Amino acid sequence: EAGVAQSPRYKIIEKRQSVAFWCNPISGHATLYWYQQILGQGPKLLIQFQNNGVVDDSQLPKDRFSAERLKGVDSTLKIQPAKLEDSAVYLCASSFLGQLTYEQYFGPGTRLTVT
Amino acid sequence: AQRVTQPEKLLSVFKGAPVELKCNYSYSGSPELFWYVQYSRQRLQLLLRHISRESIKGFTADLNKGETSFHLKKPFAQEEDSAMYYCALRISSGSARQLTFGSGTQLTVLP
Repeated sequence: EAGVAQSPRYKIIEKRQSVAFWCNPISGHATLYWYQQILGQGPKLLIQFQNNGVVDDSQLPKDRFSAERLKGVDSTLKIQPAKLEDSAVYLCASSFLGQLTYEQYFGPGTRLTVT
Repeated sequence: AQRVTQPEKLLSVFKGAPVELKCNYSYSGSPELFWYVQYSRQRLQLLLRHISRESIKGFTADLNKGETSFHLKKPFAQEEDSAMYYCALRISSGSARQLTFGSGTQLTVLP
């Protein structure tokens, strides 16, 4: 089966600019996650969707980050305006709702550099 | 709040030697613990989960609630085991499935 797709793979922007990342989960996976992974750290959950609804966004910096999953499939994560400390790899993951283990499958990530 | 600690950022062992990657957690409830692995130029993927009590690629991990640890072990390391390993704790609340990751251990298996 095709895995989680993300684009772009790399992005370089200047501080105060805006940026958007796209994620396409595995077909049939109702649950979608966005993580931020800063260099030298483990991934940190930003937001979890179930279908097109937000389940957990407690760690999302809502003053500058936003995410949507309008049709319950693809998702976009936006940063506006970006700060230097937003430089990180942004990972998208998905899981199958009916699977008891709720195993998360990760995409390749988008590496963001803010200069 | 929950926390996962991996005390070793880097770990090197020789091929054929035993390897143990340490993981300690803090969480007041009943934890679900996982090990994820990321090989060079590959995606982060699940290696094993504590509830399965399985051995994957020769690796095992036992949950020790008394010591709040979930160390990953392999009796004979192979060069292809070289990778970044992350310990993770999952908290489930309703539909939320929050994974909290440690900072990772880079394992290098030397020939």
